[in-house]
Amino acid sequence: KQEVTQIPAALSVPEGENLVLNCSFTDSAIYNLQWFRQDPGKGLTSLLLIQSSQREQTSGRLNASLDKSSGRSTLYIAASQPGDSATYLCAVSTGNQFYFGTGTSLTVIP
Amino acid sequence: KAGVTQTPRYLIKTRGQQVTLSCSPISGHRSVSWYQQTPGQGLQFLFEYFSETQRNKGNFPGRFSGRQFSNSRSEMNVSTLELGDSALYLCASSLDRPMETQYFGPGTRLLVL
Repeated sequence: KQEVTQIPAALSVPEGENLVLNCSFTDSAIYNLQWFRQDPGKGLTSLLLIQSSQREQTSGRLNASLDKSSGRSTLYIAASQPGDSATYLCAVSTGNQFYFGTGTSLTVIP
Repeated sequence: KAGVTQTPRYLIKTRGQQVTLSCSPISGHRSVSWYQQTPGQGLQFLFEYFSETQRNKGNFPGRFSGRQFSNSRSEMNVSTLELGDSALYLCASSLDRPMETQYFGPGTRLLVL
């Protein structure tokens, strides 16, 4: 069974700092990997989706990389802002369903 | 374009009762997936519906069931509620397949007393 782990579980950084969130998965036979953010009490917002054949995707200040062979993905956030405070989840797809990580709770301090 | 909507947003039930949750996908999306989110287990996949048929299923007991209508709207039913069913239930829609970009609704928070 696919298992997805995110480290760290919580992270607190001052505004303006660049940061990296980590996601690891146990089975490299994935279809794609998706990063989401979740604000308290709300649903998930899709940030980036990386197909298994891709190495990275970029959207604005966000950059996600994928190393399928080692079972790792990173989400890089540049010049963090207080509005980036949320829980970040990664999810890997086997083609039939998504397996979600446990999430990283990010706090950006003004 | 309207996003994914879920009703009701909050629900309180007692053990042994049953509950039905509703999800309306984004217009044109035909795949609807359901997830359960709890502090202890995180986000877990329940099932996915496409063209009124359950196409994929997670590892949940038969008390959890669902259906999809011809307009792609979906309902999820939980029978004989247990305290452990208290959770945020999220639905997500995508165009055709669950592995595509999924768009999530705000969720229904269920509390079982």
